[in-house]
Amino acid sequence: DSGVTQTPKHLITATGQRVTLRCSPRSGDLSVYWYQQSLDQGLQFLIHYYNGEERAKGNILERFSAQQFPDLHSELNLSSLELGDSALYFCASSSTGEVGNTIYFGEGSWLTVV
Amino acid sequence: GQNIDQPTEMTATEGAIVQINCTYQTSGFNGLFWYQQHAGEAPTFLSYNVLDGLEEKGRFSSFLSRSKGYSYLLLKELQMKDSASYLCAVPFTGGFKTIFGAGTRLFVKA
Repeated sequence: DSGVTQTPKHLITATGQRVTLRCSPRSGDLSVYWYQQSLDQGLQFLIHYYNGEERAKGNILERFSAQQFPDLHSELNLSSLELGDSALYFCASSSTGEVGNTIYFGEGSWLTVV
Repeated sequence: GQNIDQPTEMTATEGAIVQINCTYQTSGFNGLFWYQQHAGEAPTFLSYNVLDGLEEKGRFSSFLSRSKGYSYLLLKELQMKDSASYLCAVPFTGGFKTIFGAGTRLFVKA
């Protein structure tokens, strides 16, 4: 158990819908990262937040947005869902997000778009 | 640019030694991570190298050559449970953006 908590673990939704994935980082960690992993694909970096502020962005679609709240939990919002958005979405956290900080991953949220 | 290359798949025999290579390109080096990921599970941290040389941690060792943009993960005394994907990851943009390679799927056979 990494200490990073993600909910929900599984969800199935229809195309065109919107979902919110939630993440609680490890106690004391200020940085939160979101990654997408499609079937048999690598981890694709989406976005990194540090203490409520966006620090780095990857190839995150405009239909996707994220935020980190004052209590440091984070949410990833996915809207106008398409079949291709079906994937395992990982949240990860690290203490400060600085060089050398180990990133710890949650168990992921499985999203199936039908 | 940001580029990380790893072999797609490798097969090895239980009890043997396997070396998984990773090459990377980055304008500013901030270290290199290795993670293990079993199918459908979360990646778990194995090692972090920032200086050249070999770091040993039990059955797993990781090597780094910054001048060559090259790292490898060495797994000794392979066990069936080592069958997993091994991900090489490099922090970019001052460490704020950690990019993962596509991973090397290792199959350990009896």
